[in-house]
Amino acid sequence: GIQVEQSPPDLILQEGANSTLRCNFSDSVNNLQWFHQNPWGQLINLFYIPSGTKQNGRLSATTVATERYSLLYISSSQTTDSGVYFCAVPGNQFYFGTGTSLTVIP
Amino acid sequence: EAGVAQSPRYKIIEKRQSVAFWCNPISGHATLYWYQQILGQGPKLLIQFQNNGVVDDSQLPKDRFSAERLKGVDSTLKIQPAKLEDSAVYLCASSFKWGGTEAFFGQGTRLTVV
Repeated sequence: GIQVEQSPPDLILQEGANSTLRCNFSDSVNNLQWFHQNPWGQLINLFYIPSGTKQNGRLSATTVATERYSLLYISSSQTTDSGVYFCAVPGNQFYFGTGTSLTVIP
Repeated sequence: EAGVAQSPRYKIIEKRQSVAFWCNPISGHATLYWYQQILGQGPKLLIQFQNNGVVDDSQLPKDRFSAERLKGVDSTLKIQPAKLEDSAVYLCASSFKWGGTEAFFGQGTRLTVV
């Protein structure tokens, strides 16, 4: 199966700071998803992005499929951004990364 | 548009008991997934359906876990008998079709086996 690695594994930010989360994958993919897992465990869809850049408010994502990586940018972080961020690539199944645990401190 | 519905939200059972989870996917979604997520880890696929057929159940512990999607719509996942290591969040997801379309997840069922 496809290997998906995320970095950093843990991140602590002061409220208002910016951050970049990275997702590397081992094989060519048609698409990639970013999720935010909230404290109650639900996976919330952030982006569905096969290539290029998408933006949604303070969040944006860029996927460079030819180089097998994707980046999630969080600007002006808020405490509600805390949680675990996963990337996943769809193939025969959805292959999940190991996640980045983000804590935003007031 | 309604999202993926799961029930129950929480369940506490004793080891060796049985438990069942229910999932109703987004209308029109042919592919349905069940994932197990142990605390601190990423979700792990248990089983994947395309309509009412199984696409992949290679990671399903078939001696104790079973799943069905009889009419190609909603699905149930059963554990019998439960073990302590089954304590996890069980996530159901659906997508329009198999092989690369966007997946949407339900709120999950948090199972605690004591």
